[in-house]
Amino acid sequence: KAGVTQTPRYLIKTRGQQVTLSCSPISGHRSVSWYQQTPGQGLQFLFEYFSETQRNKGNFPGRFSGRQFSNSRSEMNVSTLELGDSALYLCASSLESGQVIYEQYFGPGTRLTVT
Amino acid sequence: AQSVSQHNHHVILSEAASLELGCNYSYGGTVNLFWYVQYPGQHLQLLLKYFSGDPLVKGIKGFEAEFIKSKFSFNLRKPSVQWSDTAEYFCAVKPGGADGLTFGKGTHLIIQP
Repeated sequence: KAGVTQTPRYLIKTRGQQVTLSCSPISGHRSVSWYQQTPGQGLQFLFEYFSETQRNKGNFPGRFSGRQFSNSRSEMNVSTLELGDSALYLCASSLESGQVIYEQYFGPGTRLTVT
Repeated sequence: AQSVSQHNHHVILSEAASLELGCNYSYGGTVNLFWYVQYPGQHLQLLLKYFSGDPLVKGIKGFEAEFIKSKFSFNLRKPSVQWSDTAEYFCAVKPGGADGLTFGKGTHLIIQP
C-alpha cells in the first residue's frame, strides 16, 4: 500500500505571497492532519480534517487554512507568507473514525522556504 | 492544553549500551501515547503506541515503552542499541477526544560504533 504523499517536496516563496500544499493520504484513510516542524518550535499541530470537515485546529493564525476533498485528499494554504512560516509541513493520515483512535502515518513533508 | 516533555535533547551512546529516553506529559484525562522516530533523511515513522491495556508495549526494532499513569510518563527503552538506531525520537500524546498529536521537542540519539 502506498504511503502518504505530499507535493511539492520543496518550495521557495517570497514574503507576502500565498502557497498551497497538497497531501494524498493512504488509501482508505479518511482523517488527514497537518503539522508544522521548525527547529525552534518543534512539531506543532495545525489542523485535522475528517470527511471534508475541519474537526480540530491548532493555535495558528487565520492565514493558515485547509480543506479536504471527497477522496480524502487534502490541501493546506498559507496566505500572506512571513519569514517565520519557513518550515517543514507534514501531513499525516489515519483510519480514525468517530471516537476510535488510530495511529497517524506521516508523509515526507514539504519544505517551504520564505525569502 | 496538554504538553509533552522529553528530558534529554541529545544522547550519545556506544553500540550495545542500554537506552532509556524519558517522556512526561501533562494531561489529566484519557490519553493515547506514541513514540515516533525520524531517521536521517527519512520521514517520521511510528515506533510504538499505547491506547489501553498492558502498560508495557513493544514496538518495532526491539523498542519498548512503559506507561506509568501515576507518573504521567511513557519512557522508551531498548536493551542494546545499534548504530542504525541513530535518529531523532519524538514522544507524542493524543487526548481521548479528537485533538491532534502534541509532540515533545525530540531527542537526538547518536550511537557511536
